[in-house]
Amino acid sequence: EVRLVESGGGLVQPGESLRLSCAASGFTFTRFFMGWVRQTPEKGLQWVANINEDGTEINYVDSVKGRFAISRDNAGSSLYLQMNSLRVEDTAIYYCATYCERSDKCLRRFDYWGQGTLVTVSS
Amino acid sequence: DIQMTQSPSTLSASVGDRVTITCRASQSINVWLAWFQQKPGKAPRLLMYKASTLQNGAPSRFSGYGSGTEFTLTIASLQPDDFARYYCLQYSSYPITFGGGTEVEIK
Repeated sequence: EVRLVESGGGLVQPGESLRLSCAASGFTFTRFFMGWVRQTPEKGLQWVANINEDGTEINYVDSVKGRFAISRDNAGSSLYLQMNSLRVEDTAIYYCATYCERSDKCLRRFDYWGQGTLVTVSS
Repeated sequence: DIQMTQSPSTLSASVGDRVTITCRASQSINVWLAWFQQKPGKAPRLLMYKASTLQNGAPSRFSGYGSGTEFTLTIASLQPDDFARYYCLQYSSYPITFGGGTEVEIK
């Protein structure tokens, strides 16, 4: 069974940092691009970042470039999101998800999701 | 950025109804569109990809159609489990973008 379990969310003040983790199991982690998606009631779903199998290709939404960093540990089947200089508008539920699989020609996006972790940025 | 516009934002329907949700892209995305279903307190679930390909395990009453800028998701006969929020996603180019969602509610 595919499992993605996020952790690391919490309440922080503007300007502070937080590191999200995602533990993957039940599938071959190294075969997948991975990504982060966030959700708020006001803005809905927003793709945040994705990373390829070996970490050499990374993409970010403009609003987090220079502040967030996605990374992965293939030996430990884990995905990370380092979030620096947090802003009130970064408040959201953050989901870890499989982004695509190259052997599937990357036809799909986000076929497996974690349960999400809540990040609240407030003074 | 490619803007994705879904309509309607809310749809009231009864069990057994045929319902259709539309998603329009601000520029051509070929067939690079996916549909997701989300229930309260849960993560989204992939239903459809490449505009019209049903994800493994998704019920066959769901179908997708379209290419270019206009796409539809149709539920042939609405079931109690289908009352949820639905989102489209374009993955033709970065930044990949979601539509604003359509709530399918009980009439």
